[in-house]
Amino acid sequence: QQQVKQSPQSLIVQKGGIPIINCAYENTAFDYFPWYQQFPGKGPALLIAIRPDVSEKKEGRFTISFNKSAKQFSLHIMDSQPGDSATYFCAARNSGNTPLVFGKGTRLSVIA
Amino acid sequence: SAVISQKPSRDICQRGTSLTIQCQVDSQVTMMFWYRQQPGQSLTLIATANQGSEATYESGFVIDKFPISRPNLTFSTLTVSNLSPEDSSIYLCSVGGFSSGNTIYFGEGSWLTVV
Repeated sequence: QQQVKQSPQSLIVQKGGIPIINCAYENTAFDYFPWYQQFPGKGPALLIAIRPDVSEKKEGRFTISFNKSAKQFSLHIMDSQPGDSATYFCAARNSGNTPLVFGKGTRLSVIA
Repeated sequence: SAVISQKPSRDICQRGTSLTIQCQVDSQVTMMFWYRQQPGQSLTLIATANQGSEATYESGFVIDKFPISRPNLTFSTLTVSNLSPEDSSIYLCSVGGFSSGNTIYFGEGSWLTVV
């Protein structure tokens, strides 16, 4: 049973566009929702994270939108650049010493 | 944030042998986890490394195949035993539980190819 469903699997956008990656979760006990960015040959790097008590969080060009009632959250990348081309993973976890559960990932390509 | 050092970063091993991967963190952490990432796939949790006690394994992963040690709050090892080509993956150490709360960090991974 996949606890975090991520879509789309891949995404191609023009430079300057706004790619949107969506995730849905099932476990209402989840209370921490991070996004990771992974470049080829590298480990995942934390990009931005949100708690369910807020509906939106912005850090630089990256924004998370969170809809608690729908159990969905999404990542928006403003003014996307070719350097943003990477694989993006959403994840979720409970509070306490619990591990992250990951979505299947979205491979983003930003073309000039 | 934490600085996580994983060794080896890359290795090619013969089938039937074993590989031990080390994870060293620059500060004491509450949580240490080991993940596997098969080529082009997402991250799958292998186990939670518990300090001073046996690791907690996820469904599909067993101690005989993936023995884990965690002798203290800054170090853990994962051994992948009796290697087969299907074990070719990236193995990632993940830590968290600092005063920063929920943040979970990853090492750069250990790339294993079994021939």
